[in-house]
Amino acid sequence: SYVLTQPPSVSVAPGQTARISCGGSNLGSKSVNWYQQKPGQAPVLVVYEDSDRPSGIPERFSGSNSENTATLTLTRVEAGDEADYYCQVWESSGDQYVFGTGTKVTVL
Amino acid sequence: QVQLVQSGAEVKKPGASVKVSCKASGYTFISYYVHFVRQAPGQGLEWMGIFNPNGDTTSYAQKFKGRITMTRDTSTTTVYMELNSLRSEDTAVYFCTRGPTGTTDFDNWGQGTLVTVSS
Repeated sequence: SYVLTQPPSVSVAPGQTARISCGGSNLGSKSVNWYQQKPGQAPVLVVYEDSDRPSGIPERFSGSNSENTATLTLTRVEAGDEADYYCQVWESSGDQYVFGTGTKVTVL
Repeated sequence: QVQLVQSGAEVKKPGASVKVSCKASGYTFISYYVHFVRQAPGQGLEWMGIFNPNGDTTSYAQKFKGRITMTRDTSTTTVYMELNSLRSEDTAVYFCTRGPTGTTDFDNWGQGTLVTVSS
């Protein structure tokens, strides 16, 4: 089965930039989506199709995807960005939707 | 506005079944897939299956095949997910979520339903 690997944790100071990686075989050929989940809440879509933002998501959230790694970048990080972040793809060969292992972002 | 409203928390014994409902409103029901995703305590997100209201077709994660069934109430915009032969490892929050047809993302989520499996 297809595996998406994320770092367990990322720490960042307020106002700085956080980068969260998502690694998978030939990931650049797939469409990557990213979700933010705060404790006790449902996930929220923050980036879809590698780099597009849903309405209402700040421009501070951006995404990229190339070769075997996709990246979610949070610029000018705020305390409210502290959350778990998950990447996700649809794996066509198995017709399965796959989530990454998740990354906890801590704002120092 | 778009809403996915799920049924309330459940406590089940090992071997039993649970049926979680997800009532959709505020959008054209047949234009979006409905998925179920679960999250065990302190763990990540796990996709379980997809229901396509335009044709009532389903596809399930390999892990759950044989134990899961997704259906809908034909008179309402409610989708159900039934999981059988429950075990303690099925204790989790179960979310329903929708995805626009032709895309692979999940753009709106229900509030989640806690299912506890305990003897």
